[in-house]
Formats: sequence, structure tokens, C-alpha cells
Amino acid sequence: AQKVTQAQTEISVVEKEDVTLDCVYETRDTTYYLFWYKQPPSGELVFLIRRNSFDEQNEISGRYSWNFQKSTSSFNFTITASQVVDSAVYFCALIYKTGANNLFFGTGTRLTVIP
Amino acid sequence: DSGVTQTPKHLITATGQRVTLRCSPRSGDLSVYWYQQSLDQGLQFLIQYYNGEERAKGNILERFSAQQFPDLHSELNLSSLELGDSALYFCASTPGEGVPYNEQFFGPGTRLTVL
Repeated sequence: AQKVTQAQTEISVVEKEDVTLDCVYETRDTTYYLFWYKQPPSGELVFLIRRNSFDEQNEISGRYSWNFQKSTSSFNFTITASQVVDSAVYFCALIYKTGANNLFFGTGTRLTVIP
Repeated sequence: DSGVTQTPKHLITATGQRVTLRCSPRSGDLSVYWYQQSLDQGLQFLIQYYNGEERAKGNILERFSAQQFPDLHSELNLSSLELGDSALYFCASTPGEGVPYNEQFFGPGTRLTVL
């Protein structure tokens, strides 16, 4: 079965603090794809990153970084020096190769950055 | 702006009624995906169309149906509406049939309220 767990329901940090959002996934497929999406208060879903199961290299994009560890089935997301504009709900999602081409989403983590 | 458009933005209707949600994919994209975001179920996949043909089905109720037209826009029809159908309905699109090779770009969503 496929499953994405985001155990942190809500996180609050003070501006400029670093914050890590956890994502743990389950799949029997050896080929799969992991995603992070951001949903700001306006409601749209914004694509942040895609990672393939055969590429464990971590990625950094500005203040955002992602740590993919197959050994622990985790794909964690870190925001460095958080800003108020980072306040949103963040979703981790999974697509597995042998399944339908749809995203399995976690339940999301609501991040509030306090000025 | 993802390039995916959805209309209407908001829809308020009564139980038992029928509504149609419309989605226009990004220029050149052949696949359209529908997702439902509700407080109870979170974000879940409903159905995918590729170049006019149904490709995958998720947790879509029998009261719901969809189609993709020759100009590639898609419509999601919801009938015999119940209070529990109140949700944010997203459409997403990708160029090809296989999602793993392309990010899904989401439209702004249609918020449906059933009274």
C-alpha cells in the first residue's frame, strides 16, 4: 500500500528561525517519485520539488532544502531563515511507478511564521 | 500563475442539485487530473483524462462524472449533491500521460459549498 505521513499537523516558528517539515512515505515499488507542494492562504497548490527514488542527492533552492533518505523512507523539507510569506500548508506527495499517475498526498503541515 | 484555469471560483448550491466545474489545462497539456480537498478526506485524486480518454480513477463517487472535450478542456459533473460534497476541487494538467516525468501544475480550484 502507498502512504504518506506528515506527523506534524501544525508548526509555529518566529521569523528567521529554521524549520523542518517531516515526511515519511511507504511504497512497495522500487521506482517512485516524491513531491512537495505549498498551499498558501489564497488556496492554490504550488509545486516546489520533485525527487526520483533513484536520486538521493539532496537539493537546495535558496532558503529551501530537501533531504531524501531511502533508508528511513523520509523526504524532509527545511526552510532556513523563515519569513512570514512562508506561512502556508505544505503537502508531501508520492507517485509510484506501477500505479495510476496520480499524487498520493499526506495530510499536510500548517506552518505559521510569526513576525 | 500555473496556466491552468478553473471556473467558477466559487459555487454555492443546495443539496440534491447538480453542478458542473470546468477546467482548461495549460497550453499543450494533454492530461487533466481532478482532485478533491475536504476537511474529512484531505487531498484525494478523483479521475484522470488523457487526450479525451479516461486513464485512471480514484475515489470518485458514482454521483460524479467527468469528461475531456476535443479542445482538451475538462468538466467535472457533480449530481445529487450532499453536504459532504462541500470541498475545494482542483484540476491539474501535464503534457503527457505519465505524471512521474512531468510536474502536475494545479489550477486555482473551485470552492463548492452545498447548503
